[in-house]
Amino acid sequence: SQTIHQWPATLVQPVGSPLSLECTVEGTSNPNLYWYRQAAGRGLQLLFYSVGIGQISSEVPQNLSASRPQDRQFILSSKKLLLSDSGFYLCAWSVLGRGGYTFGSGTRLTVV
Amino acid sequence: QKEVEQNSGPLSVPEGAIASLNCTYSDRGSQSFFWYRQYSGKSPELIMSIYSNGDKEDGRFTAQLNKASQYVSLLIRDSQPSDSATYLCAGGSSNTGKLIFGQGTTLQVKP
Repeated sequence: SQTIHQWPATLVQPVGSPLSLECTVEGTSNPNLYWYRQAAGRGLQLLFYSVGIGQISSEVPQNLSASRPQDRQFILSSKKLLLSDSGFYLCAWSVLGRGGYTFGSGTRLTVV
Repeated sequence: QKEVEQNSGPLSVPEGAIASLNCTYSDRGSQSFFWYRQYSGKSPELIMSIYSNGDKEDGRFTAQLNKASQYVSLLIRDSQPSDSATYLCAGGSSNTGKLIFGQGTTLQVKP
């Protein structure tokens, strides 16, 4: 069966520090991968999605970047965090044309 | 701008009642629709998917789709306190695989 792993679960980082969040998927090949952010009391905002290794599409201009170095690995990064980067970051995967997304357990990021 | 709209609520129903959650979408190209349940502090969990007009039932949940009216709904029968959560509606295109999520409706089921 397919599983998605996301870590860390919580993170407190100072303003200006770098960020790296990692997501891996098991049990499937060539998944579509997504990074979402959910601010407190808000909906899901799509940040990046990827349909293959090295293929990244950005949905919202911002302080973040994403990379997909391997088929089932998706990384969200920032060189310098802003207070506005605080939120609940969710990784998700899907197979094109089949069903909805499956989300990871999320990372709650607080920038202080 | 392709959108999915939901009433943020909260929607409050007594235990045992039917909860009705509604969603409208603007992209007529959307071909698949999903309902997610999100408990406070947790990630969304897929509970229902619907692809064609009409009703789809799964246990206490029924999803309804009307493409002509661009309307999706979720009915929860015999609501339980454990159903209290935020319900997210999402619409997607099978061509791109991207889902557009609504803001979510908070449901409170009171014992």
